[in-house]
Order: sequence, then structure tokens, then C-alpha cells
Amino acid sequence: DTEVTQTPKHLVMGMTNKKSLKCEQHMGHRAMYWYKQKAKKPPELMFVYSYEKLSINESVPSRFSPECPNSSLLNLHLHALQPEDSALYLCASSQGTDRDRAPLHFGNGTRLTVT
Amino acid sequence: DAKTTQPNSMESNEEEPVHLPCNHSTISGTDYIHWYRQLPSQGPEYVIHGLTSNVNNRMASLAIAEDRKSSTLILHRATLRDAAVYYCILRDTGTASKLTFGTGTRLQVTL
Repeated sequence: DTEVTQTPKHLVMGMTNKKSLKCEQHMGHRAMYWYKQKAKKPPELMFVYSYEKLSINESVPSRFSPECPNSSLLNLHLHALQPEDSALYLCASSQGTDRDRAPLHFGNGTRLTVT
Repeated sequence: DAKTTQPNSMESNEEEPVHLPCNHSTISGTDYIHWYRQLPSQGPEYVIHGLTSNVNNRMASLAIAEDRKSSTLILHRATLRDAAVYYCILRDTGTASKLTFGTGTRLQVTL
């Protein structure tokens, strides 16, 4: 079992739908991350939040909108997605973005299918 | 960003040691060497990290070459549960939050 919880585990959505992915951790971590992973490829960084502020956006299209309501929660709002956005979306957290190169703790992801 | 090179795949027999190599010839003095692994249908899992000295933990050992241009992750006794993709990643002091995954090595463990 992982200490980073992602919901839902699976999501199917149409291109006109609006949906949200949720990530939660209770380890007191102050940095949270979103990664995208296509089949048989490595994870790709999308966003980094540090102390609830967006610190890195890897030029992600605006149809993906992250939100960090508090230090334990991270959301990814999805709107007007394309079929090529189908992927595994991984959330991670760490103690901080630069303290002792703190390891990232990953959830098991949300598998998203866009139809 | 400094890059890493790993073999695409490796095989091992169960209960034998496994040495997973990683080349990082352009590593800078402030880059830490991190290893993560990803088991099937799971998110990546931290394994170990180091800067200059060899490191041991309950999961594995990390051997770092004296010139730091290469490193080796050592699993002392592979089990079927160690079958995964292993990623060697350089994490810079300045951009420590940008954990960038390479293509990794897919390890198969057989009986």
C-alpha cells in the first residue's frame, strides 16, 4: 500500500466532459507533483507545488489545471481533453523540493481514458 | 540537464545478485544519483540515492565510481517481486524538484 492516495483509480471521459483527479497525503510533505505516463514510457513531470504554491509548470496545455487547496491535497482539473491525453496520471509528494534531495513518494495513479 | 544511459533490459535468476549499471558521463559535482523502480501496475518507488560514497539500505546497495561517471545498483538476492523497471536519475541541487526519468532498465527475474 502507498501513503499517497489517488482517486479515482480509473476514469473514462468524453472530450467535452469536465472531471477532476484527486491526490491526498498525510505525511506532512510540503511538495506535491503531477506526472503523466504513457504506456511503456517513463513518467513525465507536469507540475510541482511547493508549500501550496505552483513552482513548476512544464508547459502543460491549459486543458489541465492543477490546484492545491491545502498541504495535504492536490487536484488536477481536466477539461476538453483529447484522446492522446489518455495515460496514467501519477501524483507524488516529498518533504520539500530541495531538502536532502528528499525522495518522492508516488501514488499508484489514475488511469485515464479519453473517448 | 545531465543524462543517464541504462541498458533497456536485463535478466536474472531468482536468489542471485543483480548488478544494474548506469552511465552518467556528464554528471556535475552537485548531482545526486537517485534510483527508483516501478513494479507493474504501480507508481514508481524510491530505492536509494547517493552523492559520492557507496550507500546501503534494506532494499539495495549503490556503488558509485570514483570519477562518478557511472554507478551500479546492486540487488543482493533477486526475487520475483523485484521484477520492475529500474530508473537511474540525476537530481541537481539547483533543480532538485525536477525529478526527470530516463528510459530505465526492465529487469526480468526467472525461477
